[in-house]
Amino acid sequence: EPEVTQTPSHQVTQMGQEVILRCVPISNHLYFYWYRQILGQKVEFLVSFYNNEISEKSEIFDDQFSVERPDGSNFTLKIRSTKLEDSAMYFCASSVRGQSYEQYFGPGTRLTVT
Amino acid sequence: QKEVEQDPGPLSVPEGAIVSLNCTYSNSAFQYFMWYRQYSRKGPELLMYTYSSGNKEDGRFTAQVDKSSKYISLFIRDSQPSDSATYLCAMSALTGANSKLTFGKGITLSVRP
Repeated sequence: EPEVTQTPSHQVTQMGQEVILRCVPISNHLYFYWYRQILGQKVEFLVSFYNNEISEKSEIFDDQFSVERPDGSNFTLKIRSTKLEDSAMYFCASSVRGQSYEQYFGPGTRLTVT
Repeated sequence: QKEVEQDPGPLSVPEGAIVSLNCTYSNSAFQYFMWYRQYSRKGPELLMYTYSSGNKEDGRFTAQVDKSSKYISLFIRDSQPSDSATYLCAMSALTGANSKLTFGKGITLSVRP
């Protein structure tokens, strides 16, 4: 069964460093999302991406964040200068037709900023 | 008022019990209502979804939506130890490119053998 994959599973970085989180969505999916979950808190929407551009972004997704689909398979989230409060699980999701009830999530990347 | 609120739990029940999980919401624009299951250190896995008000059944699971009360429920019949996980409700107002999900905080369920 096709699934969303994410790498790395765990990333430790120092405050101020840049990190790139990688996702491979399900191959025929066209809509892509990033969410994050700070320990003990809700899963929160960050950004949605379709047709090579951002469709919507949340207040969390400030200038420190960017997304890219560099090729036909990968979808990346870059944090330019990490802060302690960026420590969280980051989940990638994809959807074939953009239906909210068809978002399939990856296993997540745990980002720890020290 | 928070956009989506979910009973905090945790919840522990004996095997075979009927489990009721609930969420309330404040945004009347929500049209799509989902239940996700999340195991420790894994991504959310879609269990069921309902569009607008009504009931939907899938095996031992039943989802209910009452838009007039802004209240949704997930019932699990004949609960099994394998149902032990965190259950998240999620909602969306739109579909298509802007179909962001708004989640509840999740409730951790433990089913004792």
